[in-house]
This record gives sequence, structure tokens and C-alpha cells, in this order.
Amino acid sequence: DQQVKQNSPSLSVQEGRISILNCDYTNSMFDYFLWYKKYPAEGPTFLISISSIKDKNEDGRFTVFLNKSAKHLSLHIVPSQPGDSAVYFCAAYNFNKFYFGSGTKLNVKP
Amino acid sequence: DSGVTQTPKHLITATGQRVTLRCSPRSGDLSVYWYQQSLDQGLQFLIQYYNGEERAKGNILERFSAQQFPDLHSELNLSSLELGDSALYFCASSSFTGQENEKLFFGSGTQLSVL
Repeated sequence: DQQVKQNSPSLSVQEGRISILNCDYTNSMFDYFLWYKKYPAEGPTFLISISSIKDKNEDGRFTVFLNKSAKHLSLHIVPSQPGDSAVYFCAAYNFNKFYFGSGTKLNVKP
Repeated sequence: DSGVTQTPKHLITATGQRVTLRCSPRSGDLSVYWYQQSLDQGLQFLIQYYNGEERAKGNILERFSAQQFPDLHSELNLSSLELGDSALYFCASSSFTGQENEKLFFGSGTQLSVL
């Protein structure tokens, strides 16, 4: 039973444009959400997070939006850069457990 | 560098064999998590330890076991290996404060190939 879903396995965008990565979850008890970025042959690294009491959190080019009623969050990257090409994992946290989505592979074309 | 060390980076073995994956958490982190990533799959949670005690269990097979030692390093033991066990195994650590801003710090993984 996958409680966190990333329905787009891949996404391709042009350099300089916006990248929007989406994530859906099923458990309304999740109270904290995170995005991780993974390059090949490396472990995932923390990118940005958001508490369930907020609907937006921004860090430089990265913004995460949370829509609790829709149980949906998204990661916006503006402007996208070739170095952003990686796999992005969405994660949800509750009761000391982290639940990860299957990842979206982002390709930013120069 | 996340501060989490995993060894070995690569492991090639045969079906039926047993292997041990090792993980040293970030300095000060008491909690260790193990995840499995199979081809084109997400990160599947296997098991979590906190200060030497098992804290949570996920989709871990009975052929797999883990432990966390007094020095806080952890080992994941995989036995009677099958072809389907071939995957990338990640260890992650956290301070496990119970606070809302909990984060996981991942090692670079062990790539297991069962032939």
C-alpha cells in the first residue's frame, strides 16, 4: 500500500523554464513533507521541507506547495538549470516514519 | 558528504549466499534506517533502529535481519540470496528528536548484485 505517490516517472524541461514535480499522498495524518534529490551513484540528499501547518515554503529557486484538502504537494524549480537533472523523491513523515514516493526523473535540457 | 558511511559500495555474489552491509551514522545521530531501492522502484523502508533497539519495521523479508551496535553502527544481513534481492541498499541516519523538522541523511548506498 503506497501512501505517497509520484505518478510522473519522468519530466523534461528546457533550461530557464519552470519545473513542476508533483506528489500525492493518502494519509491525512502526515504532518511533515520533504523533497529529496538523488544523483546517480549517490544517496538522496535533502532539498526542502514543509510543515502541514503551512501551504508554501521557499528556498532560493525551490518552492514547495502543499494542498492539504487535495492531499497534494508540488515542488517548483525556477529557473531550471542543467545541474538540477536528477531523480526527485517526495517523502511524508508521521509517527517517526518516513514514507517515500517512487521518484520523478527530471531532465533539464540546455 | 552526508556524514553517513556505507560499505562496501558494490557487492557481487551468488544465489543462496549471505552478505553483510555496514553503515556508520552521522556523528551524534542515534537512529539508523535501512532502505531498498530496486530497479525503477522507490525507496522501500526495511527497518529502523534507535540507540541499539529496533524501532520500526517495514517490508523486510524474514531472510533479512539487522542490528545496531553500542557504537551505533548498523549491519544489514541478507541471507539465502535470490536474484530479486539485487538492488541498491541505502542506510540513513537521523537525530530522531521527534521534532517536526526531522530529516534523514543518506549514505551513498551499497549496490548488491546477485548472480
